[in-house]
Amino acid sequence: GAGVSQSPSNKVTEKGKDVELRCDPISGHTALYWYRQSLGQGLEFLIYFQGNSAPDKSGLPSDRFSAERTGGSVSTLTIQRTQQEDSAVYLCASSSPLGLATRGPLETQYFGPGTRLLVL
Amino acid sequence: GIQVEQSPPDLILQEGANSTLRCNFSDSVNNLQWFHQNPWGQLINLFYIPSGTKQNGRLSATTVATERYSLLYISSSQTTDSGVYFCAVEPRMDSSYKLIFGSGTRLLVRP
Repeated sequence: GAGVSQSPSNKVTEKGKDVELRCDPISGHTALYWYRQSLGQGLEFLIYFQGNSAPDKSGLPSDRFSAERTGGSVSTLTIQRTQQEDSAVYLCASSSPLGLATRGPLETQYFGPGTRLLVL
Repeated sequence: GIQVEQSPPDLILQEGANSTLRCNFSDSVNNLQWFHQNPWGQLINLFYIPSGTKQNGRLSATTVATERYSLLYISSSQTTDSGVYFCAVEPRMDSSYKLIFGSGTRLLVRP
């Protein structure tokens, strides 16, 4: 597609339930990122994928959070046993870097519209 | 870890006015991006600018990497410029491309 897409747009769930959030990156982009934005706050990095592997998971806040990417394209972020503090907007981004030794504008990250998660 | 500070935190302008937003960062970076988050929450890319100066219409940006700051200039502001402006950096010492965001400048342009 023309841009990064995410689904669902909004999700309301009850505390303790599991949720899955989906991200479709820009076609051909090898890198995919998940970020979280809590109400009135800046963005917080969660996880980075290069292809199907995740070399940087340092931002995942707890073991209730996991993510996978299949076919070098779609990614799913799963939150198990949701808590009220998980309420936030979850944003996905993608880019097409050439490699750590070759830096340039292809590293520009493009963001999707986000999934607004509310845990009651 | 790297610190990213944006100023001012809030800014109110009359339509047609000019403004300068600042981003200071505490360590060397490989990547610096400016974003505009519109009232619907969409993050829109403005500039990829780890160094140098770029212009796009009424917007321009300058990053002085050696002094660890970046400036975003908005000229002849319009009501549609309202929203939150974020600066985000990729620390040079990091081996991933993750962005560290500042807390943003909230801009309101009044007609």
